[in-house]
Amino acid sequence: QKEVEQDPGPLSVPEGAIVSLNCTYSNSAFQYFMWYRQYSRKGPELLMYTYSSGNKEDGRFTAQVDKSSKYISLFIRDSQPSDSATYLCAIRYAGNNRKLIWGLGTSLAVNP
Amino acid sequence: GAGVSQSPSNKVTEKGKDVELRCDPISGHTALYWYRQSLGQGLEFLIYFQGNSAPDKSGLPSDRFSAERTGGSVSTLTIQRTQQEDSAVYLCASSLGRRSSYEQYFGPGTRLTVT
Repeated sequence: QKEVEQDPGPLSVPEGAIVSLNCTYSNSAFQYFMWYRQYSRKGPELLMYTYSSGNKEDGRFTAQVDKSSKYISLFIRDSQPSDSATYLCAIRYAGNNRKLIWGLGTSLAVNP
Repeated sequence: GAGVSQSPSNKVTEKGKDVELRCDPISGHTALYWYRQSLGQGLEFLIYFQGNSAPDKSGLPSDRFSAERTGGSVSTLTIQRTQQEDSAVYLCASSLGRRSSYEQYFGPGTRLTVT
């Protein structure tokens, strides 16, 4: 079993839709939870991070962590064609091991 | 300020040749990471530098791969005797320090094709 599981999609939605992207993880020692966005032929860029259960909002984006279920989500409201990208979840252990464990990424297309 | 830069952006090489990939991190970032990204494989960690030392080389796939960092800044990833399975995008990232590893800044990558 991989430490982080993420459905690679692809996911295709109409403009304005609410998008839900998800990852599950296996180790309760994970502490930091990140979402990165990667446009085609670019490097990933950090969208949001959180280290506690619950919701964190930033504009149209909401990151949600449920530590009891080992489940993280990214919601995109009022999706735009410019949101078309691959979204990668990444998780980090607590303590001295600061290595990030990455999901495979979900490819999202928002159609005008 | 300037972001992370990588060169070359594309590299086509023949099987068996050696290649060098370069990364210039953000100024002041002490932590530097190399990853490999292949279609359908996600981001594969290769090596992590803190300053000029590499406390974690666990992701290097074989002894054909090596990396160094000088002056706490520029890093070079060298692949010797390249094989076709080395074809991938090689990404470099930096962060302010190890504690900030959750916030990594990536370069655009070097797309390596081994023919």
